[in-house]
Amino acid sequence: EVRLVQSGAEVKKPGESLKISCKGSGYSFDSFWIAWVRQMPGKGLECMGIINPRDSDVRYSPSFEGQVTFSVDKSIDTAYLQWSSLKASDSAMYFCAKTVAGTGLGWFDPWGQGTLVTVTS
Amino acid sequence: EIVMTQSPATLSVSPGERATLSCRASQSVTNNLAWYQQKPGQAPRLLILGASRRATGIPDRFSGSGSGTDFTLTISTLKPEDFAVYYCQQYGGSPRFSFGQGTKLEIK
Repeated sequence: EVRLVQSGAEVKKPGESLKISCKGSGYSFDSFWIAWVRQMPGKGLECMGIINPRDSDVRYSPSFEGQVTFSVDKSIDTAYLQWSSLKASDSAMYFCAKTVAGTGLGWFDPWGQGTLVTVTS
Repeated sequence: EIVMTQSPATLSVSPGERATLSCRASQSVTNNLAWYQQKPGQAPRLLILGASRRATGIPDRFSGSGSGTDFTLTISTLKPEDFAVYYCQQYGGSPRFSFGQGTKLEIK
């Protein structure tokens, strides 16, 4: 079974750093791009960008360029989403999802269960 | 930039009836269009890819149609578990991915 399992919920203060994870299993992790998607409370889905686990090639969506950092550790089939200085407006649910091989331009399936990030003073 | 617009925002339908959800792209996305279902507290689930192909394990009461700029998701006979929020997504345009704002399908 192809699965993505994300790290648990986080509560942080403004200005703190954070790194959340997404571990893949049941498939060749470095053959398929991973997408990160934000969902703010009560709102819709926003694609933050994609990363190729094979070579760490990253494509950020314009709204998220410079705001977050994607990375991977191929040795443990895990992708990461990182903030260096959190803001209250970063409070949201974050999902990772497996996308397609090649260009990475495709549908998202499956999705991780989500990581809830709460930033509050 | 390709903007995806879904309509209606909320759709009220009775169980056993048909639901038709619409998604429009601001420019052609050919057939690079997916549909997702999201229930409260859950991750989205892929229903349709390539505008009309059902994903693995998706019941045949779900069907997708359209190409270019206008797309439709039809649920032929609604079951209680189908009431959820549905999103369309284009992939391959600029930006690379964009979602519609969602349609909430609620019980009438």
